[in-house]
Amino acid sequence: IAGITQAPTSQILAAGRRMTLRCTQDMRHNAMYWYRQDLGLGLRLIHYSNTAGTTGKGEVPDGYSVSRANTDDFPLTLASAVPSQTSVYFCASSPELGAYNEQFFGPGTRLTVL
Amino acid sequence: AQSVTQPDIHITVSEGASLELRCNYSYGATPYLFWYVQSPGQGLQLLLKYFSGDTLVQGIKGFEAEFKRSQSSFNLRKPSVHWSDAAEYFCAVGATGNQFYFGTGTSLTVIP
Repeated sequence: IAGITQAPTSQILAAGRRMTLRCTQDMRHNAMYWYRQDLGLGLRLIHYSNTAGTTGKGEVPDGYSVSRANTDDFPLTLASAVPSQTSVYFCASSPELGAYNEQFFGPGTRLTVL
Repeated sequence: AQSVTQPDIHITVSEGASLELRCNYSYGATPYLFWYVQSPGQGLQLLLKYFSGDTLVQGIKGFEAEFKRSQSSFNLRKPSVHWSDAAEYFCAVGATGNQFYFGTGTSLTVIP
């Protein structure tokens, strides 16, 4: 079934550890996104990419990095996790980058940083 | 700065009753507007979107929304709610610079 997969489903992480959240899509979409979802704050854009090799910063990029080596994969890395990064992380994709595009979302990764 | 406001954190309706979820936005130009639904433990799914033209847009699952420029609103409606509509609903604005802004969400409970 076409769509977006994320791994892991959930993770508990000690503060200071490095963590990479994986995201893969098989829809051949050019644009991909990472959001964090926090209670009372909705979804906030962390980073995005409009094509392989190109990334951009969203609303809350600090403490996160991304890479886009190919069309399908868009991993999100926390170099040194902190408790404030406890959140649910959603990866999304759209055919092209642009404010008019519908985004397709993965099932999310629940991350707890202790 | 762009922003999206969903003033109702939580709404409870009876099955079969009508529903309206409010959304107000702040954006200088004509926005691209979306409503997404999130079922428990799931990602978001698009219900409908507005770009231009007819201000009343139809979406999936019997939902519709009306764009009112004078009120900077994009409220979501459904004439008769089903128990399966219980979920979290997010309004979103697509803005220039490839930024997307989501509201804080409205949680819908449907009682029999």
